[in-house]
Amino acid sequence: DTAVSQTPKYLVTQMGNDKSIKCEQNLGHDTMYWYKQDSKKFLKIMFSYNNKELIINETVPNRFSPKSPDKAHLNLHINSLELGDSAVYFCASSHQGSGANVLTFGAGSRLTVL
Amino acid sequence: QKEVEQNSGPLSVPEGAIASLNCTYSDRGSQSFFWYRQYSGKSPELIMFIYSNGDKEDGRFTAQLNKASQYVSLLIRDSQPSDSATYLCAVNSSASKIIFGSGTRLSIRP
Repeated sequence: DTAVSQTPKYLVTQMGNDKSIKCEQNLGHDTMYWYKQDSKKFLKIMFSYNNKELIINETVPNRFSPKSPDKAHLNLHINSLELGDSAVYFCASSHQGSGANVLTFGAGSRLTVL
Repeated sequence: QKEVEQNSGPLSVPEGAIASLNCTYSDRGSQSFFWYRQYSGKSPELIMFIYSNGDKEDGRFTAQLNKASQYVSLLIRDSQPSDSATYLCAVNSSASKIIFGSGTRLSIRP
């Protein structure tokens, strides 16, 4: 299936731990994103990579570190987890040259920090 | 001022009626405009996008864009219970960032 897939779907962990979320797309897109959706459903952009190059880095604590080994993969590592990091993290991809820049989202990774 | 603003709702519309969802944005250099639908516990999925002033129709959905007023709307005709969801307005800003509003919850009552 052509899609954006992210793992794991659920993460439950203690404060202070480190965790990673992985994302892969097989749509041939050149740009990948991480968005955070909080409990009020507000979807906020965190990072964007175009062909492995970081192009958007919003005001995000440096405990969050994205890594793009190639244009089909974008991972998110979070150090020293805090209660406020609890949210759903969505990976998305798009083809920047397509004009409209339509996002295709993964299913989301729900992170709960206890 | 938020970059993309929507009424949070809930907006309750009877089945078969027209649902009207509105969105305003602050960046005059924004280039393209999107409506996504998100069911509870699911990821956002694209309904349609628009980048020229005027109307764009796709089945029961019509997007309307007025760049002078910095206003985007989505009309859903013949509303069905399956249209009950959160509708997210998104804007491709002049900085090439896709920025979302906080969403409007729509409820279609049978």
